[in-house]
Amino acid sequence: NAGVTQTPKFRVLKTGQSMTLLCAQDMNHEYMYWYRQDPGMGLRLIHYSVGEGTTAKGEVPDGYNVSRLKKQNFLLGLESAAPSQTSVYFCASMGDSPYEQYFGPGTRLTVT
Amino acid sequence: KQEVTQIPAALSVPEGENLVLNCSFTDSAIYNLQWFRQDPGKGLTSLLLIQSSQREQTSGRLNASLDKSSGRSTLYIAASQPGDSATYLCAVGYNTDKLIFGTGTRLQVFP
Repeated sequence: NAGVTQTPKFRVLKTGQSMTLLCAQDMNHEYMYWYRQDPGMGLRLIHYSVGEGTTAKGEVPDGYNVSRLKKQNFLLGLESAAPSQTSVYFCASMGDSPYEQYFGPGTRLTVT
Repeated sequence: KQEVTQIPAALSVPEGENLVLNCSFTDSAIYNLQWFRQDPGKGLTSLLLIQSSQREQTSGRLNASLDKSSGRSTLYIAASQPGDSATYLCAVGYNTDKLIFGTGTRLQVFP
């Protein structure tokens, strides 16, 4: 039981490049989330999904897209990376009550 | 606006002390509150979850309390150890799509 895993762990992009971050969970959770963590700002929700085939915007969705084609996977895409997207990205999943979120180890992304 | 504040931002204590970390929130209509631990360069580990109908939860040397009416939660760590050194995050859940995080308390326990 691996919990929540994220790929890759580190990545450096040039401005304008694209990439996809993969999140996978093996707990059969319906809910999945993408957050970014920046110094002094806490974690902020980018997008989330309440089940296979669904996605919704969070607090800071601009510049990102997501897809949830399979229940266990949640993909975060950056179509044209910008330096402002330099951050640590965390994926989380959550089951039913008591609605406890479980986090992956994070992806550190640098955009130059 | 729903906000979560954690005080202090940083704390340095000698080993063996009992300590209290504070979390306050502006909107008391919560459905749960989670305390997480984050080690440098790592992900978040869930420590305790308190549902809105509960007043406290305990796990080992950790005890978390919740007072919805005053918008406060505390994390009590008994007999602190150097291995407790980490950043502790409080997150307030308002529904399944809204978990608001504080900016954390960075704890250092020295031998």
